[in-house]
Amino acid sequence: GQNIDQPTEMTATEGAIVQINCTYQTSGFNGLFWYQQHAGEAPTFLSYNVLDGLEEKGRFSSFLSRSKGYSYLLLKELQMKDSASYLCAVRAGRGSGYALNFGKGTSLLVTP
Amino acid sequence: GAVVSQHPSWVICKSGTSVKIECRSLDFQATTMFWYRQFPKQSLMLMATSNEGSKATYEQGVEKDKFLINHASLTLSTLTVTSAHPEDSSFYICSASGGWDTEGLEQYFGPGTRLTVT
Repeated sequence: GQNIDQPTEMTATEGAIVQINCTYQTSGFNGLFWYQQHAGEAPTFLSYNVLDGLEEKGRFSSFLSRSKGYSYLLLKELQMKDSASYLCAVRAGRGSGYALNFGKGTSLLVTP
Repeated sequence: GAVVSQHPSWVICKSGTSVKIECRSLDFQATTMFWYRQFPKQSLMLMATSNEGSKATYEQGVEKDKFLINHASLTLSTLTVTSAHPEDSSFYICSASGGWDTEGLEQYFGPGTRLTVT
């Protein structure tokens, strides 16, 4: 089965740093993805981890610990446009067609 | 590169009718396409996985006779919602994977189709 948990909502101030956590218990693991989704739009890819450690891409970083079933997305220098839903997704193995299983998403509100 | 389109972007239909949604990979060949459904303030729920030329694999709880999926070519997959009912109103999103990105096997998402059944 699949169980992916992340906080429902978070609020942070413009210019600050925010960390969104994700824990997972899945029957197969072939990488963990973070997506950003604005209301009424499709998700856009932010980052991908398959090995333990930190991946940095500009203002966004993502960390993975496979032994702990844990990941986080770090957003630095927050901007108002970063207000969106952030989705953690675990990719299944080849037997499941590499399908993505999404968490319920974390709605981030960036305030002035 | 790696652009996925969906058509229509929104559709309103009457209860009992059928609606077809197209998903196209514009600049790559998609060996696998995925269909998701998203209700308001909920996350994406995988409905089915389809590989070109073979039958789709449906997730538990998704009626294959109601949600017909065809993946006839490497650039096109269609989802037909048959005998639609108001509870089928949702945001339907497809994604495509080319399988050629050996590092990520990344899925590229279409812009979504908003279906409203009256």
